[in-house]
Amino acid sequence: AQKITQTQPGMFVQEKEAVTLDCTYDTSDPSYGLFWYKQPSSGEMIFLIYQGSYDQQNATEGRYSLNFQKARKSANLVISASQLGDSAMYFCAMRESKSGFQKLVFGTGTRLLVSP
Amino acid sequence: GAVVSQHPSRVICKSGTSVKIECRSLDFQATTMFWYRQFPKQSLMLMATSNEGSKATYEQGVEKDKFLINHASLTLSTLTVTSAHPEDSSFYICSASGGPGPASVEQFFGPGTRLTVL
Repeated sequence: AQKITQTQPGMFVQEKEAVTLDCTYDTSDPSYGLFWYKQPSSGEMIFLIYQGSYDQQNATEGRYSLNFQKARKSANLVISASQLGDSAMYFCAMRESKSGFQKLVFGTGTRLLVSP
Repeated sequence: GAVVSQHPSRVICKSGTSVKIECRSLDFQATTMFWYRQFPKQSLMLMATSNEGSKATYEQGVEKDKFLINHASLTLSTLTVTSAHPEDSSFYICSASGGPGPASVEQFFGPGTRLTVL
């Protein structure tokens, strides 16, 4: 079974609007971490936001917030006030304690296109 | 934040030759480094995990004799693609952990190396 599922291969949003990128995960480990990375066309992986499985509150980092619904095993990324520079691939990833919190497993990604 | 560099950023080689890619943590000591491969329009797939001073742990399906990983110091790991073939053409990305902040939380990624085998 896929550990990380991103069902949206592509998303379109207009500048200044908010967009939600979906991510569901599968794990039996009670302790895990969830990440979102942005990959622009240049290729580098840019860390956006992190959510620990025991964190009580949803993570926020500037315009990025993570809608963490533990019971549904979802960790959707919300980007508010989209900017043209947000156009990129976005990857959701998970790290489990059983791997010593080392191994990151990535989803297939969502390509976001922000239009003027 | 922590900086990880990769060299070269792009390499083109002939089939049958070996290519070495370096991954360096510039401002922190990386106890663990990771090597990923990303084919066009696909996700990152972990190839191997290396801890300084010990042998790398390879993921299932990754040939350790073809992809040689050396993590000789806390700031340098190398990936050597031996006897490269066109199907090895890919984007190779390293990451490192053990940097500033909660070390258990974040991996810092290098900018990647695009390998093209002719």
